[in-house]
Amino acid sequence: DAKTTQPTSMDCAEGRAANLPCNHSTISGNEYVYWYRQIHSQGPQYIIHGLKNNETNEMASLIITEDRKSSTLILPHATLRDTAVYYCIVRVQGAQKLVFGQGTRLTINP
Amino acid sequence: GAVVSQHPSWVICKSGTSVKIECRSLDFQATTMFWYRQFPKQSLMLMATSNEGSKATYEQGVEKDKFLINHASLTLSTLTVTSAHPEDSSFYICSARDLDRVNTEAFFGQGTRLTVV
Repeated sequence: DAKTTQPTSMDCAEGRAANLPCNHSTISGNEYVYWYRQIHSQGPQYIIHGLKNNETNEMASLIITEDRKSSTLILPHATLRDTAVYYCIVRVQGAQKLVFGQGTRLTINP
Repeated sequence: GAVVSQHPSWVICKSGTSVKIECRSLDFQATTMFWYRQFPKQSLMLMATSNEGSKATYEQGVEKDKFLINHASLTLSTLTVTSAHPEDSSFYICSARDLDRVNTEAFFGQGTRLTVV
């Protein structure tokens, strides 16, 4: 699976949009971009995934660049409960295991 | 969404004893489950892939005789930490994917915090 690079930490004000970047310059054509988050002392929670088109669900939006070498997870109206570590993972869809990098520690400030 | 449940949520045990952690998929079947370990302020590290009806596949550096994995049914995998020592204290997390929903996301249990004293 391709490796990803994320900032170690980010801060965002409550109510504002949180934009979390991820670089995956070695991504191959059949690899998807997945985002998970982990709130302190809990198991990871799935957020969203995509291949090349932008995706949106009730939690977030995923913007993938045209060359697919990077992506951005957008939490449109961040709340204090969005404080967590966010992991960007690329893998072949259908492949079994998920390999986690260091992720981005996002802190939402009141 | 699919639910994966771990038991216990936390456990304290004496050094030298063994501890069993259960991972159940509550509303779907999973031929494959995964076990992760997470130390404080670190990311999740994949330990092993648990395969129903066959031997688990361990990641490099993980002792298979230390971390015994049993996946006897499509809804249950267990991880037994044998002869636990303080350095085994960690947060253990399992995950599973729905057998009938190919190409879907993995679901994670809530984790088990093991403290060896």
